[in-house]
Amino acid sequence: EVQLVQSGAEVKKPGESLKISCKASGYSFNRHWIGWVRQMPGKGLEWLGIIYPGDSDTTYSPSFQGQVIISADKSISTTYLQLSSLKASDSAMYYCAKRTLEFAFDTWGQGTLVTVS
Amino acid sequence: EIVLTQFPGTLSLSPGERATLSCRASQSVTSDYLAWYQQKPGQAPRLLIYGASSRATGIPDRFSAGGSGTDFTLTISRLEPEDFAVYYCQQYGSSPLYSFGQGTKLEIK
Repeated sequence: EVQLVQSGAEVKKPGESLKISCKASGYSFNRHWIGWVRQMPGKGLEWLGIIYPGDSDTTYSPSFQGQVIISADKSISTTYLQLSSLKASDSAMYYCAKRTLEFAFDTWGQGTLVTVS
Repeated sequence: EIVLTQFPGTLSLSPGERATLSCRASQSVTSDYLAWYQQKPGQAPRLLIYGASSRATGIPDRFSAGGSGTDFTLTISRLEPEDFAVYYCQQYGSSPLYSFGQGTKLEIK
């Protein structure tokens, strides 16, 4: 079964940093792009960026360039989303999702709720 | 920058009725790269449609979709109670590389 399992909920203070993990299983991790998506409370989906674990090629949304860092560790089939200098406005649910060849996201992690307060 | 606008914002219908949801792009989208998702409260989004009209694995055939260029549609032929949720369209290709519409909430009338 293809699965993405994300790290647990986080409560942080303003100014702190955070690294969320997304562990993949059930498919060839190196060969599929993994995207990250933010959903603020009661709001829609926002694409943050995407990484190809095979060579760590990464593309960011212009809206989030410089605000997030996406990385991958092939040895443990895990991608990461790093946020720094957290603000209350970073409070949101963050999802990782596996991209298909047709450029859609067919498998999603369960989400990681981040609260900055 | 491409913007996906979904309408209506909220659609109120009864089980058994037909639902038509729209997604309009501010510039042309390659049909191969238009997807639809369903999201229920407290859950991650679920892929329904990719390539503008192809159902994802396990999606019932009451869900259909189509369109091209700047106008795309998701249709649910006969609403089941479990279909009431928020629906998002998503494109790939134009800056930003991936983007989502703001969503349509399908609620029970």
